[in-house]
Amino acid sequence: GDSVTQMEGPVTLSEEAFLTINCTYTATGYPSLFWYVQYPGEGLQLLLKATKADDKGSNKGFEATYRKETTSFHLEKGSVQVSDSAVYFCALSGRAGNMLTFGGGTRLMVKP
Amino acid sequence: GAVVSQHPSWVICKSGTSVKIECRSLDFQATTMFWYRQFPKQSLMLMATSNEGSKATYEQGVEKDKFLINHASLTLSTLTVTSAHPEDSSFYICSAGGDGNYNEQFFGPGTRLTVL
Repeated sequence: GDSVTQMEGPVTLSEEAFLTINCTYTATGYPSLFWYVQYPGEGLQLLLKATKADDKGSNKGFEATYRKETTSFHLEKGSVQVSDSAVYFCALSGRAGNMLTFGGGTRLMVKP
Repeated sequence: GAVVSQHPSWVICKSGTSVKIECRSLDFQATTMFWYRQFPKQSLMLMATSNEGSKATYEQGVEKDKFLINHASLTLSTLTVTSAHPEDSSFYICSAGGDGNYNEQFFGPGTRLTVL
């Protein structure tokens, strides 16, 4: 079945540092890939998505490229801010009916 | 983007009572809605998928008589936790699937349930 693996956290960075959160997936066919962000006490917000190979999703300075050859969708940001502190979930949708498969989540903590 | 609301945002109840959580898609019609449960510092666990006008499909290990799901319209799904117990305390999140081509889900803000 489908699965998503992302690096365990917490990831602790200083403000303005470069961020990478690794995400790899296993799926049949051609899934859509997503990154969601969850701030404390809130639901999930879609951060970015990519629907086919070599697509790059980007939003709020975050980027991720759909790499089919390495089955990866790593999240990157060139300069993190304290306000980026949250939990980030990588997910894929390959099953029928919009169903999502989530990774375990990675907590990011950015210190001033 | 599409907006999904949940009500209430938090609820505290006594053991043995039932609690209803509403999930609404505010600006689009959702033929499919999903209910998740999230334990502290963990990922989301899909509980069930509900389709408008039909019975919900529950994931393995989720008690359908304990967690009643009703999807009466294209904009409303409800989750009722029946005879709640302290172990049901959790963060419950719903999402709605749009009718676009990218299999995207739009998430509600979540409901924190505490059972005393």
